[in-house]
Amino acid sequence: AQSVTQPDIHITVSEGASLELRCNYSYGATPYLFWYVQSPGQGLQLLLKYFSGDTLVQGIKGFEAEFKRSQSSFNLRKPSVHWSDAAEYFCAVAPTSGTYKYIFGTGTRLKVLA
Amino acid sequence: GAGVSQTPSNKVTEKGKYVELRCDPISGHTALYWYRQSLGQGPEFLIYFQGTGAADDSGLPNDRFFAVRPEGSVSTLKIQRTERGDSAVYLCASSPGTGDSYGYTFGSGTRLTVV
Repeated sequence: AQSVTQPDIHITVSEGASLELRCNYSYGATPYLFWYVQSPGQGLQLLLKYFSGDTLVQGIKGFEAEFKRSQSSFNLRKPSVHWSDAAEYFCAVAPTSGTYKYIFGTGTRLKVLA
Repeated sequence: GAGVSQTPSNKVTEKGKYVELRCDPISGHTALYWYRQSLGQGPEFLIYFQGTGAADDSGLPNDRFFAVRPEGSVSTLKIQRTERGDSAVYLCASSPGTGDSYGYTFGSGTRLTVV
């Protein structure tokens, strides 16, 4: 069965420090991959997506993610975190056929220390 | 509208009551999706509409849940005989269609609390 694992439930970093949020997926082929961010009381906002091609994907707000097929991973990174990045981050996958049914991970809550 | 609008933002209901949750998608988006996000979990797929028809309702947990989209725009998720386990945030999303380059735009959700 398809699944997404975000092994870190909570992460705390200092403002200005680098960030990496982990995402591993289980799927028979290369799926479509997404990262979403959810601020308190807000909907999910798409940060970036990977469909094919260059395995390093640039997104909004200075985020990037790298697809590594050999590790079935799609980790999210940011070189310098801002206090406004504090939120919950969700990794999601969708099958390449019928891309409407996303499977989300359980999320990683990011806390940023001033 | 400019974004996906969901009403109400919060709903508290008593166990056994009927509730309706409304989603107003982005104008022109033909695809509409409902997801449910329980506490501490990621969103889980409930149902997908393409136009007026439910193309995939395989995520609805049981027959107490039903959704409609009669004119291909606004959708209503209906829950009968609510149970405490139905408490969650119900998210709606829309997209121009389905395909490789589309991504969802999510609403802010309706937080349903069944007491």
